[in-house]
Amino acid sequence: GNSVTQMEGPVTLSEEAFLTINCTYTATGYPSLFWYVQYPGEGLQLLLKATKADDKGSNKGFEATYRKETTSFHLEKGSVQVSDSAVYFCALGRSNDYKLSFGAGTTVTVRA
Amino acid sequence: GAVVSQHPSRVICKSGTSVKIECRSLDFQATTMFWYRQFPKKSLMLMATSNEGSKATYEQGVEKDKFLINHASLTLSTLTVTSAHPEDSSFYICSARPAGGANSPLHFGNGTRLTVT
Repeated sequence: GNSVTQMEGPVTLSEEAFLTINCTYTATGYPSLFWYVQYPGEGLQLLLKATKADDKGSNKGFEATYRKETTSFHLEKGSVQVSDSAVYFCALGRSNDYKLSFGAGTTVTVRA
Repeated sequence: GAVVSQHPSRVICKSGTSVKIECRSLDFQATTMFWYRQFPKKSLMLMATSNEGSKATYEQGVEKDKFLINHASLTLSTLTVTSAHPEDSSFYICSARPAGGANSPLHFGNGTRLTVT
């Protein structure tokens, strides 16, 4: 079945540091891949997505590239801010974002 | 933007009692809502798909008699944990998509922390 494995946290960084959160997946067929973010006290929000191999999703300075050869969708940001402190979830969907399979989430804390 | 309200945000109940969690779409209609649960340091797991006006579809391994889902209107789905036990303690999250918006993103509630003593 479909599954997602993402880097365990927590991750603590200083402002302006480079952030990478690794995500790999197992799936049949050609899933769509997503990164969701949950800020403190809020619900999950879609951060970015990619629907086919080699697609790059980007939003708010974050990027992730759908790599079919390595079954990965790593999240990166070149210079984090305190406001990026949140829990990040990698997910895959069988068809767009229908019936998502999530990773365990990675807590990121950015210090000023 | 679209908002999904989940209530309560936190509940503590005694073993053997039932607990109802509500998921409301505040500014859109949702024919389909999804219920997830998350154990500490584990993945968010899809439990069931709630369909307005029909029976919910449960994922493999989820007890339908244990987790009762009712989607009585286009803006409300409820999850009732019946005869709760300590192993049901978990974080439950719902999500919904605007009706007719197959390409619009899912909107998530803030989650409900259930503790069964």
